[in-house]
Amino acid sequence: RKEVEQDPGPFNVPEGATVAFNCTYSNSASQSFFWYRQDCRKEPKLLMSVYSSGNEDGRFTAQLNRASQYISLLIRDSKLSDSATYLCVVALTGGGNKLTFGTGTQLKVEL
Amino acid sequence: EPEVTQTPSHQVTQMGQEVILRCVPISNHLYFYWYRQILGQKVEFLVSFYNNEISEKSEIFDDQFSVERPDGSNFTLKIRSTKLEDSAMYFCASPGTSSRDTQYFGPGTRLTVL
Repeated sequence: RKEVEQDPGPFNVPEGATVAFNCTYSNSASQSFFWYRQDCRKEPKLLMSVYSSGNEDGRFTAQLNRASQYISLLIRDSKLSDSATYLCVVALTGGGNKLTFGTGTQLKVEL
Repeated sequence: EPEVTQTPSHQVTQMGQEVILRCVPISNHLYFYWYRQILGQKVEFLVSFYNNEISEKSEIFDDQFSVERPDGSNFTLKIRSTKLEDSAMYFCASPGTSSRDTQYFGPGTRLTVL
């Protein structure tokens, strides 16, 4: 089983749509969870950390279900500029631990 | 967002040659990381560096790889004898100033081995 598993997509959605990405992780000892965004041939950029209580940052909402080892990202009112690959990332602990990446889910927002 | 810088942006080398990739992480942090991403594949952890020592390394980080801190601010990743399969993007990463939990990535060095 892959350490972090994501649907590769692509997800093609019209501008203004709501889109949801899911991710599962295999190591139940994982403690820190993140969504990163990666544009083509660029570095991963931190989008948001994910907390058990769920968290929201503008149009982006992230949820964590530790029992199911499942992470989600919801993007509301999609913009053309949201087109990118969204990377689900976990770490065993905070503070100094290596990041384990999923393969990413590609999003294309169209006019 | 904190800034991590890397040089060069693109390095082309012949198989068997040594390459040195450089990074300037966010200042005042003792942790430092190298990752790589082969084209079309996921980002993979290579090595973490804490307080001037390797704290963890992956199976990818074999004897051909080394990491150093030649001065107070710069870090280097050296590949002694490059192979075709070393062609990839190499990213360095550094924790943020407000939280050690998150890591911020440099723009990467694209290594092409011919």
